[in-house]
Amino acid sequence: DAGITQSPRHKVTETGTPVTLRCHQTENHRYMYWYRQDPGHGLRLIHYSYGVKDTDKGEVSDGYSVSRSKTEDFLLTLESATSSQTSVYFCAISESWTELDSNQPQHFGDGTRLSIL
Amino acid sequence: EDQVTQSPEALRLQEGESSSLNCSYTVSGLRGLFWYRQDPGKGPEFLFTLYSAGEEKEKERLKATLTKKESFLHITAPKPEDSATYLCAVLPTFSGGYNKLIFGAGTRLAVHP
Repeated sequence: DAGITQSPRHKVTETGTPVTLRCHQTENHRYMYWYRQDPGHGLRLIHYSYGVKDTDKGEVSDGYSVSRSKTEDFLLTLESATSSQTSVYFCAISESWTELDSNQPQHFGDGTRLSIL
Repeated sequence: EDQVTQSPEALRLQEGESSSLNCSYTVSGLRGLFWYRQDPGKGPEFLFTLYSAGEEKEKERLKATLTKKESFLHITAPKPEDSATYLCAVLPTFSGGYNKLIFGAGTRLAVHP
């Protein structure tokens, strides 16, 4: 199994509170990603990182921010949680994801189930 | 618009009853197609990558095939431990910005003894 740890695994919080999810990897991979998974939808990319302090937006980035201060850690923050952000959040990593190395598969953590009441 | 559709949404099989899952895609160009398996409460687990039409990959009872419009995941003589959700994802031709991996919604497979 890829060395990816997500914390917490479950969280219940209230609307309007800030929430931070953590992804920790032991593979020293350059690329890290945050996805959300909702019933009836495929995994959707929120943000990704291509190096320390290098991040960019995915397709559903509104209401989310990220930070990566070390290779091994990638944080996802919901500044003011809303009920529409209730979801399962997955972190993924890959060795590379450039035009030349696109065959590198992404490997996923076991997710954080977040409920916002 | 790039799109991935998986069918059926759910499939129930008896142990030993072979079948196929479908992943159809619409993209401007395909650089890779990925299959994943996801167990309840777990993250997706990588199975295969396919790159070009006609390519096939096998792993135990699973065989993935690829055409220009779709991919199939064939399951031969399935066992109850093959029960899971199977996800398909495509990587379109690079178009600037980030390499966007597009996932289908998955097929939930249940194999009964």
